Amino acid sequence: QVQLQESGPGLVKPSETLSLTCTVSGGSISTYSWTWIRQPPGKGLEWIGYMYYTGSSDYNPSLKSRVTISLDTSKNQFSLKLTSVTAADTAVYYCARPLGGTNDAFDVWGQGTMVTVSS
Amino acid sequence: DIQLTQSPSSLSASVGDRVTITCRASQNIITYLHWYQQKAGKAPKLLIYAASRLESGVPSRFSGSGSGTDFTLTISSLQPEDFATYYCQRGYISPWTFGQGTKVEIK
Repeated sequence: QVQLQESGPGLVKPSETLSLTCTVSGGSISTYSWTWIRQPPGKGLEWIGYMYYTGSSDYNPSLKSRVTISLDTSKNQFSLKLTSVTAADTAVYYCARPLGGTNDAFDVWGQGTMVTVSS
Repeated sequence: DIQLTQSPSSLSASVGDRVTITCRASQNIITYLHWYQQKAGKAPKLLIYAASRLESGVPSRFSGSGSGTDFTLTISSLQPEDFATYYCQRGYISPWTFGQGTKVEIK
């Protein structure tokens, strides 16, 4: 059974770069696509983007200029970098994997990690 | 972007009630519509994918229907563990987007 676990700093200063890692256990990262989704406190869900194991990627246009998702197959991890953060980027960040046969229905989620942007 | 409008934003219901939540897309998304349940402090859980397919392990009291622009999630007999927030989410054309959520509360 595939499990995902997010890790990274819980506090980031404004204008700096948010960096998170998702560790995949129980399966190989060299299949499927790998996605980041976030949820500001008390608000709804926002898809950030994904990267396929082949290296192709897609990002939410609202974040595209600031986001990079990358895969590290040697560590079975994938990462999120979000540059020039502001308070609006404060959220719980989830990593997720889609259901087999789909690209956009997420059946495996990490527990989420809260990131606060504050000086 | 293709927007999703979910309604109602909240509802109060009793155990045993039949509950219906709707999700409307601003353009035809065929059946690229999925439903999630989220409880406080937890990650969302996939309930229904491709509009009407029940995810493995999800109780059969949950069902989904619709195609094109109009979709429905139905809980046939609300159970105590079903009190949560429900989100629709679409695929089809990037960026994937979520509805704003429906909070199901105890009456």
